Amino acid sequence: GQQVMQIPQYQHVQEGEDFTTYCNSSTTLSNIQWYKQRPGGHPVFLIQLVKSGEVKKQKRLTFQFGEAKKNSSLHITATQTTDVGTYFCAGQGAQKLVFGQGTRLTINP
Amino acid sequence: DGGITQSPKYLFRKEGQNVTLSCEQNLNHDAMYWYRQDPGQGLRLIYYSQIVNDFQKGDIAEGYSVSREKKESFPLTVTSAQKNPTAFYLCASSIRRGRNEKLFFGSGTQLSVL
Repeated sequence: GQQVMQIPQYQHVQEGEDFTTYCNSSTTLSNIQWYKQRPGGHPVFLIQLVKSGEVKKQKRLTFQFGEAKKNSSLHITATQTTDVGTYFCAGQGAQKLVFGQGTRLTINP
Repeated sequence: DGGITQSPKYLFRKEGQNVTLSCEQNLNHDAMYWYRQDPGQGLRLIYYSQIVNDFQKGDIAEGYSVSREKKESFPLTVTSAQKNPTAFYLCASSIRRGRNEKLFFGSGTQLSVL
């Protein structure tokens, strides 16, 4: 069945350093979504990528969708303490939306 | 304010007991979902409903049951058949179930076994 693998599982950085999380799907996706879950909170939708090779930016966050529509990445430039949380990708396949395991980001101020 | 309300925030279950988690939305969304979140794992789909009086099993439906008698409400019952119920349960909704629909999540219920 459809699987979405996300790495790394954990990432600890110094404030101001960059951060990247990667998602890989076992099947071609129609789109990929990214969510952020703050500690003790619930997932909140960040963005959706639909087109092959698409790149979208939200301030310090850059999202990419691979040419083959099987992988995606989220890059945060110059992390701030407000970036702390778990970032999930969710790949939309033919039948269902499958979440990656998430990358938990912690930041040393 | 529009949104999804889950209750209770914390719930404890005794052996052999069924418990019901509440989920209410006032977003006028057709589709509703229940996910289970375990530490170090992604969100796994338990059940979903695309329309009133209809629901479908997700990937881990065993030991759970749902109903959708009203558009606004999608309660989840964790039955005694679910042997490992301790987890964080998230309810979500979307305008409809489709390929480009983003999910709106409730604040979750932490279920623990006594």
